[in-house]
Amino acid sequence: DQQVKQNSPSLSVQEGRISILNCDYTNSMFDYFLWYKKYPAEGPTFLISISSIKDKNEDGRFTVFLNKSAKHLSLHIVPSQPGDSAVYFCAASPGGGADGLTFGKGTHLIIQP
Amino acid sequence: DVKVTQSSRYLVKRTGEKVFLECVQDMDHENMFWYRQDPGLGLRLIYFSYDVKMKEKGDIPEGYSVSREKKERFSLILESASTNQTSMYLCASSFQGGNTEAFFGQGTRLTVV
Repeated sequence: DQQVKQNSPSLSVQEGRISILNCDYTNSMFDYFLWYKKYPAEGPTFLISISSIKDKNEDGRFTVFLNKSAKHLSLHIVPSQPGDSAVYFCAASPGGGADGLTFGKGTHLIIQP
Repeated sequence: DVKVTQSSRYLVKRTGEKVFLECVQDMDHENMFWYRQDPGLGLRLIYFSYDVKMKEKGDIPEGYSVSREKKERFSLILESASTNQTSMYLCASSFQGGNTEAFFGQGTRLTVV
């Protein structure tokens, strides 16, 4: 049973526009959420995170929104750039960090010129 | 600079061989993890360790074992490699306690023939 779901396997966005990647979770124990970016043949790199006590976290062009009642989070990238083309993984943790992160299946973001 | 290093980028092994994947981190992290990434399945947790000589099963431990003799080193062992273990293997580490991201190595692409 998937506890973290990314329902869009791929997303195509024009350069300069906003990219919105979505993620849903089912486990109420999750209270820390992260987004990772992954290029082919490389390990994932941490992008941004949010704790359940917040509903928004911003870092430059990247903003993550958390809706706890809907068990939904989203990553906004604006403006989108060619280097943003990658696979994005949503991940969640029950906090404490000891149990590892539960990942979604990923969304392949393609930025078109 | 934070570093998680996996001993090999690419490996080709024969069915039935015993395979060792090594991972070293230089950040004095308590937690270490092994994931595998397969197309359409995202990252799945194989094993993790929160202390030296401690290990916990993740979501897909069958066919694998691990060893953590030193804090900085976490090894994944395929006791008898099979073709369905062909995958990208990713090692990660993190601090224990509180909300914290995991840092990943560059990955090992293992092919079992």
